[in-house]
Amino acid sequence: RKEVEQDPGPFNVPEGATVAFNCTYSNSASQSFFWYRQDCRKEPKLLMSVYSSGNEDGRFTAQLNRASQYISLLIRDSKLSDSATYLCVVNEGSNYQLIWGAGTKLIIKP
Amino acid sequence: DAGVTQSPTHLIKTRGQQVTLRCSPKSGHDTVSWYQQALGQGPQFIFQYYEEEERQRGNFPDRFSGHQFPNYSSELNVNALLLGDSALYLCASSPLAGGSYNEQFFGPGTRLTVL
Repeated sequence: RKEVEQDPGPFNVPEGATVAFNCTYSNSASQSFFWYRQDCRKEPKLLMSVYSSGNEDGRFTAQLNRASQYISLLIRDSKLSDSATYLCVVNEGSNYQLIWGAGTKLIIKP
Repeated sequence: DAGVTQSPTHLIKTRGQQVTLRCSPKSGHDTVSWYQQALGQGPQFIFQYYEEEERQRGNFPDRFSGHQFPNYSSELNVNALLLGDSALYLCASSPLAGGSYNEQFFGPGTRLTVL
C-alpha cells in the first residue's frame, strides 16, 4: 500500500461547478498535511496547509479526518485556471521528509 | 527577491555518465531539499541539506550524492547514470532549519534525459 494515495483522475468538471478530491495516508503518526498545485511541466506550488480544524482560503476548503486518515480539498465555483494537478503531501513529524501522492489531475471545461 | 533558481534547465546525458545539478535557495532560506519527479508521479524525496550536512535521505542509492555550500546553495550529483534516472529534478528551499511545518518553495527544476 502506498504511503499517500490519490485518485489520479482526470476529473473533467464544467466551469462554475464544485469539485472535491480526497487523499488517504497510511501513517497514523503523520502530523503535517499540505495541498500543492502543479501546472503542466512546472514546479509544485503550495496551495494550502491543512489544519486539524479545517481551513478555507477563498474558493478552496481543506479538511483533515484523522480517524479515517484522509484529507480533502474542495474547490467551489471552479475556474478554467484551476486546471492543474493537485498533489497531497504528508509529513510524519519525526523527520524532515515529505511524502507526496502522485497527484489528481483536474480539467475545468468551459 | 529571487526565488529558488536551478541550473541547467535541461540536460541530455548518456548511460554511465555523471551529472551535476545546481540550486540556489530563496533569499533567507537555509535548508535545501532535492526531489526526483518521474512523469505522472509525485516528487520522490532524495535528500535534504542543512548547515552543509545531509540531514535526511530518502530511498535512493549512493550514486546520488549532494553538497551544500556556506552560502546555502546546493549541488546534486548523480554518477553512473541509468535510463531510469530520466526525470525532472526539483530543488526546494525552506526557512528556519526547514521544520516540517514550513512551506517548501520549489525551483523550476532540471529536466534530465538519459539516452
